[in-house]
Amino acid sequence: QITLKESGPTLVKPTQTLTLTCTFSGFSLSTNDVGVGWIRQPPGKALEWLALIYWDDDKRYSPSLKSRLTITKDTSKNQVVLTMTNMDPVDTATYYCAHSHNYFDYWGQGTLVTVSS
Amino acid sequence: DIQMTQSPSTLSASVGDRVTITCRASQSISSWLAWYEQKPGKVPKLLIYKASSLESGVPSRFSGSGSGTEFTLTISSLQPDDFATYYCQQYNSYSLTFGQGTKLEIK
Repeated sequence: QITLKESGPTLVKPTQTLTLTCTFSGFSLSTNDVGVGWIRQPPGKALEWLALIYWDDDKRYSPSLKSRLTITKDTSKNQVVLTMTNMDPVDTATYYCAHSHNYFDYWGQGTLVTVSS
Repeated sequence: DIQMTQSPSTLSASVGDRVTITCRASQSISSWLAWYEQKPGKVPKLLIYKASSLESGVPSRFSGSGSGTEFTLTISSLQPDDFATYYCQQYNSYSLTFGQGTKLEIK
């Protein structure tokens, strides 16, 4: 059974760096063709893909956010970490991590991050 | 970047109706397209991958078709549980893209 869970702060101030952790079980990120991605959704708006890391440590980023994002994995801990720098109120959203074969078949419950002073 | 455009943005339909949602890519994505369903306050759920492959456990009234730049999601006979927002997502290119969503409402 594959499960994922996001953790991190619920409130960050403008200009701060957001660090989110995805802790998963039921699969290994050392298995061929497996990845973990991050997707966000501002309140009432559409899904937006942010980043994806693969079993072989290949990393992909949304072009519009690439300069602000870093994705890493710790295979031994079954965790993937996303950092986003220079947070702004427009980054207020629910952030999801998801198991990926380039599409996303298992999702975490999501964590709402609010950016406000 | 590959842009994904869904139409319509909102669709009103009745239980039992056959409905079709369209997703167009700004360039060819072969068959590298997925469809998701999201209900209010819930996590997105994968319905279809590789344009037409039904995810395990998804009812057979859902089907996907298309290749290249034009794709469709069809629900053959709407059930009360199907009123939700539907998203397409391409995974052909280095960067992934979701469509803007189609909200399926009760008429």
